[in-house]
Amino acid sequence: GAVVSQHPSRVICKSGTSVKIECRSLDFQATTMFWYRQFPKKSLMLMATSNEGSKATYEQGVEKDKFLINHASLTLSTLTVTSAHPEDSSFYICSEVLAGRNEQFFGPGTRLTVL
Amino acid sequence: DAKTTQPTSMDCAEGRAANLPCNHSTISGNEYVYWYRQIHSQGPQYIIHGLKNNETNEMASLIITEDRKSSTLILPHATLRDTAVYYCIVRVAGGAQKLVFGQGTRLTINP
Repeated sequence: GAVVSQHPSRVICKSGTSVKIECRSLDFQATTMFWYRQFPKKSLMLMATSNEGSKATYEQGVEKDKFLINHASLTLSTLTVTSAHPEDSSFYICSEVLAGRNEQFFGPGTRLTVL
Repeated sequence: DAKTTQPTSMDCAEGRAANLPCNHSTISGNEYVYWYRQIHSQGPQYIIHGLKNNETNEMASLIITEDRKSSTLILPHATLRDTAVYYCIVRVAGGAQKLVFGQGTRLTINP
């Protein structure tokens, strides 16, 4: 399957700061990427759908001004958590969809801890 | 997307076949059954998917009932590395369609 990387794998930040998470498709060009969030012992929750060159589509209840998504190229999507608070501490996972394929390939995840 | 129902947890002995059930009684005719798994603190991993025929790949087999209201994922010879949460998801075909994850089944393989 496709290879998806995320950077950083783990980040600790102070409350009020902004954190950028990168999601890269290493071997294919992905027109669509998804961003998920997962709290401890919970399932993955879709946050937004990111399409290359256009605005992201956010799920209900996800603040677009707080979770900024940029998908400027076919191999890179970024999620910026602005003015992070302790309740934003979570495991953030991206996935990519390859043209003509029916499965999604997931990145390894980024664990964010906000102090 | 149609909802799925899975047991919360299951145990299986190493070397035995692990059979994970999934109910999807409201599945539509154009919806596929997908299985993913998530090992602790990692991103989910695609396992297999199918529409109505049974499917097999190097990881697992997928058995879908004739009425398509339920399915079973089979790991033929479970190893300790198969310990994970297994998610059964139904959705229409097309990669751009989002996946809606339920709670999944926490499978523990015991030595």
